[in-house]
Amino acid sequence: SQTIHQWPATLVQPVGSPLSLECTVEGTSNPNLYWYRQAAGRGLQLLFYSVGIGQISSEVPQNLSASRPQDRQFILSSKKLLLSDSGFYLCAWRTGTGPYEQYFGPGTRLTVT
Amino acid sequence: AQSVTQLDSQVPVFEEAPVELRCNYSSSVSVYLFWYVQYPNQGLQLLLKYLSGSTLVKGINGFEAEFNKSQTSFHLRKPSVHISDTAEYFCAVSEAWNTGFQKLVFGTGTRLLVSP
Repeated sequence: SQTIHQWPATLVQPVGSPLSLECTVEGTSNPNLYWYRQAAGRGLQLLFYSVGIGQISSEVPQNLSASRPQDRQFILSSKKLLLSDSGFYLCAWRTGTGPYEQYFGPGTRLTVT
Repeated sequence: AQSVTQLDSQVPVFEEAPVELRCNYSSSVSVYLFWYVQYPNQGLQLLLKYLSGSTLVKGINGFEAEFNKSQTSFHLRKPSVHISDTAEYFCAVSEAWNTGFQKLVFGTGTRLLVSP
């Protein structure tokens, strides 16, 4: 069966510090991968998606970036965090051809102070 | 492009009462529809999905939803809720029959609050 992991589970970082969040998927090959952010009291905002190694598409301009160094690894990064980067970050995957739903990881709670 | 509207940001209900969470979507093409549930500080879990066929879809935890194409709706229902159903519920839509990359568009969520 497939499993998706995210770490760390929680993170408190000062403004201006770097960020690295990691997501890995087990039990599937060549998944489509996604990063979402969920701000307090709001819905899910799609940040990045990837259809393969090294292939990253950005949905919104911001100080965040994403990379996919391996087939089942997806990393969210920032060189300098802003207060507005606080939120709950969710990684998700789906197979490239179906089923059509996305499966979500447990999330990372990021607080920028 | 697709969009999803969940008009109710919060729905309070008493335990064992029925509940309906509303979802309306907008799209110029055929769609797939999904309901997800999110418990506090957790990821999203798929409740049910509509791809094609019967418009009444049954999911986990006793939930069901009905696809209404003419009203562009996909409302979620449960005949009798439990305290444990307290959570955030998200409706989502994606373009059907897309053989390329697919994205999910989410609504802003509805918080279901079940009290004894």
